[in-house]
Amino acid sequence: DAMVIQNPRYQVTQFGKPVTLSCSQTLNHNVMYWYQQKSSQAPKLLFHYYDKDFNNEADTPDNFQSRRPNTSFCFLDIRSPGLGDAAMYLCATSRGDSDQETQYFGPGTRLLVL
Amino acid sequence: GQNIDQPTEMTATEGAIVQINCTYQTSGFNGLFWYQQHAGEAPTFLSYNVLDGLEEKGRFSSFLSRSKGYSYLLLKELQMKDSASYLCAVRDSNYQLIWGAGTKLIIKP
Repeated sequence: DAMVIQNPRYQVTQFGKPVTLSCSQTLNHNVMYWYQQKSSQAPKLLFHYYDKDFNNEADTPDNFQSRRPNTSFCFLDIRSPGLGDAAMYLCATSRGDSDQETQYFGPGTRLLVL
Repeated sequence: GQNIDQPTEMTATEGAIVQINCTYQTSGFNGLFWYQQHAGEAPTFLSYNVLDGLEEKGRFSSFLSRSKGYSYLLLKELQMKDSASYLCAVRDSNYQLIWGAGTKLIIKP
């Protein structure tokens, strides 16, 4: 019954080695978000897609890229992970057509950079 | 700048009531959300307020005063499973969600 699925749940990578995190949803929501969350901090929005329209936050480093090949899937690519990129990465979705616009989160991928 | 303030940590006793406050300063207001986040897990939606007043949902209630830029989350009949972080988030005039850092709630027997 999982509605927002993230794989893998835990990812270990090496400093500078590209890594891709994936997210899929069964809700048929228009909007998909990627957040970075470090311990005891607020989730930080990296970017979001409204359908195929990509919206990058001004302070998201170029090292972070995203792809959304279809409605159901969205990927986060970290081209050259640094030690400071170790965090929980959260994918979320929302309908994109209502005032309330609740965001539904996946379980997250915890990234460790060695 | 935009800012959401919540206490960093609170402690309460099982069976008691606790109120978690949130104050905000944002560019416009289009609703306030409360999410629960257990350690190492994703946030889950608890409540949404867009008009002033109290919204009750079982053991949880959320209050909003737009004129004061203030909300609180009230948890009654606390259970050990309520130990989690509680995040306040406000949607601004651009429909961007501005998040607080969360309040870690510790429940003691």
